[in-house]
Amino acid sequence: GQQVMQIPQYQHVQEGEDFTTYCNSSTTLSNIQWYKQRPGGHPVFLIQLVKSGEVKKQKRLTFQFGEAKKNSSLHITATQTTDVGTYFCAPYSSASKIIFGSGTRLSIRP
Amino acid sequence: NAGVTQTPKFQVLKTGQSMTLQCAQDMNHNSMYWYRQDPGMGLRLIYYSASEGTTDKGEVPNGYNVSRLNKREFSLRLESAAPSQTSVYFCASRKTGDLTGELFFGEGSRLTVL
Repeated sequence: GQQVMQIPQYQHVQEGEDFTTYCNSSTTLSNIQWYKQRPGGHPVFLIQLVKSGEVKKQKRLTFQFGEAKKNSSLHITATQTTDVGTYFCAPYSSASKIIFGSGTRLSIRP
Repeated sequence: NAGVTQTPKFQVLKTGQSMTLQCAQDMNHNSMYWYRQDPGMGLRLIYYSASEGTTDKGEVPNGYNVSRLNKREFSLRLESAAPSQTSVYFCASRKTGDLTGELFFGEGSRLTVL
């Protein structure tokens, strides 16, 4: 079945530094979604990527979908304390089963 | 706007007891999901329901049963709780056929099994 791995598992950065998390799949993905979960909260949808090589930006967040549609990344420029949380990728297909990646936990030193 | 509502928010059980987690959504979504999240870990799919009247196993279905009562409600039952089922349980829903298909999550139900 479809499996995704996220790296790194944890990232601890100084406020103002950049952060990147990667999501790698063993199979070609139809598309992929990204979610953020604040400590003690529930996951919240960030974005969906559909096209090969697609790049989308949301303020300081940049999302990319690989050319082969087997990997994706989320990059945060100049992190802020509000970015703290765990970031999950989730491959999405026309089927209803949605499995999440293992997540990358971001912590920030003020 | 209620979105996805889960009850109860907190529950403590003794080993062997049974209980049902309730989930309801008011967004007219077709698909509903139950995930569990152990401390410091990711989300694992327990069961899902692609549409009213259907349910399917996810990654970790053992020890659980589900009922899609109607389009709005999707319940998760633990027949004989075990300490390994101590976790935070999230219900989610989404509108299938929608281009985005994003998941909307409830606030979570924190279950402790002693």
